[in-house]
Amino acid sequence: AQSVSQHNHHVILSEAASLELGCNYSYGGTVNLFWYVQYPGQHLQLLLKYFSGDPLVKGIKGFEAEFIKSKFSFNLRKPSVQWSDTAEYFCAVNARNSGNTPLVFGKGTRLSVIA
Amino acid sequence: GAGVSQTPSNKVTEKGKYVELRCDPISGHTALYWYRQSLGQGPEFLIYFQGTGAADDSGLPNDRFFAVRPEGSVSTLKIQRTERGDSAVYLCASSQGSGGDRRETQYFGPGTRLLVL
Repeated sequence: AQSVSQHNHHVILSEAASLELGCNYSYGGTVNLFWYVQYPGQHLQLLLKYFSGDPLVKGIKGFEAEFIKSKFSFNLRKPSVQWSDTAEYFCAVNARNSGNTPLVFGKGTRLSVIA
Repeated sequence: GAGVSQTPSNKVTEKGKYVELRCDPISGHTALYWYRQSLGQGPEFLIYFQGTGAADDSGLPNDRFFAVRPEGSVSTLKIQRTERGDSAVYLCASSQGSGGDRRETQYFGPGTRLLVL
């Protein structure tokens, strides 16, 4: 069965600090990879996704993630965080089999950005 | 265009009661998913529909949980004899469901927060 591990439960950063959130998955086959964000009081929104091609993907609001197949990792990065990035971040994966497959999520990382 | 909508946004019920949660997917999306999110956890898969049929219901925790999608659009998640442990946020997501392209993005609704007293 697939699983996703997010290493950090809660990260606290000052504004303008750099961010890296870890995500590792376990699955032997071909996968699609996603980062979703949940701002306070809002629903899950897609931040970025990886299907194939360039392993460095760019998403909204200056976020990017790098797929490293040999490490089964898909870490999220942002060079300089803002107070508005305070949110919960979820890494998710699904298998690219025939048909659609459900997402398997990590437990999430809560990011708090302080002034 | 409208996103995924879910009603009600909040539901409080008593242990042993029956509840129905509704999901209205993005227009034209044939794939629909239900997830459950408990406090401090990521969403966990419950059931997936492709059109009217349940393609995968392996995530339903027990036979008190049931979901339907009779016309291939709106879906209803039904929980019988609710228990306190059923308290969670129930999320619905939809995707295009084009089948041939397995590189699809799931779009989530705001969820229904269920509290069983």
